[in-house]
Amino acid sequence: GAVVSQHPSWVICKSGTSVKIECRSLDFQATTMFWYRQFPKQSLMLMATSNEGSKATYEQGVEKDKFLINHASLTLSTLTVTSAHPEDSSFYICSARDNRGHLTDTQYFGPGTRLTVL
Amino acid sequence: RKEVEQDPGPFNVPEGATVAFNCTYSNSASQSFFWYRQDCRKEPKLLMSVYSSGNEDGRFTAQLNRASQYISLLIRDSKLSDSATYLCVVKGQAGTALIFGKGTTLSVSS
Repeated sequence: GAVVSQHPSWVICKSGTSVKIECRSLDFQATTMFWYRQFPKQSLMLMATSNEGSKATYEQGVEKDKFLINHASLTLSTLTVTSAHPEDSSFYICSARDNRGHLTDTQYFGPGTRLTVL
Repeated sequence: RKEVEQDPGPFNVPEGATVAFNCTYSNSASQSFFWYRQDCRKEPKLLMSVYSSGNEDGRFTAQLNRASQYISLLIRDSKLSDSATYLCVVKGQAGTALIFGKGTTLSVSS
C-alpha cells in the first residue's frame, strides 16, 4: 500500500519557538493532504485541508496564522506551529489522498508527530 | 451533537469472547463509512470499509444502516492482539476529510 511519512516523529521544544512538521507521500502524488490533531483520549480532529498550489482551508476554531500550512509540491505538505505554547502539545497526524487511477479517494495516514511544548 | 458518536467503553473481555461496537452519525449526506484501529501512540489504520449490504473480513463483521445512521462492528473469537481503540469514521463526498468518532477502547485479557 501507499506510504506516507512524517518528520519528526516527536519533538520537544520551549514555549515560544516554532516547530515545522513535514508530511510526505513516498510513492504517489497527493494533491490533497489533511492535517489532524489528537489530544489524549480524544478523537482525531481535522485542523485543515492542504491543497497543492493553493491556500489551505482551515476548520473553524483553528488559527491560520498560528498553524501555517504549505503544500508546495505534490508530495510534501508542511505544518508549522508558530510560537508554540504548552496547550499546543498534541499528536499531529497528516493523511494524503491517493486519487491515482482506480484507487479513488483513499487516504493514507502518516505515523504522526508527538509535540511537547515545555 | 457530535458528528460521530460511539459507545463510551472501555470494553474488557476475555480471549475468545464476541464483542460488538456501535456508532451513530449525524450527517445524512455521509457517503463512506469505515472502522479504523488505533494502537496507543500510533496513527489510525484502516480496519475495514462498511457497506450497506454488510461485509465480513475474517473475525470482523461490519454493518451499516443508512436509515438509522448506525454503524456496527462485531469481533468474534477475540484475540489478545485485538486490544486497541476502534474508531468509527465517516466521510462525505470524494476529496473531503475523514470525520472520526472518539473511539472505543477494547482490552482483551487471557
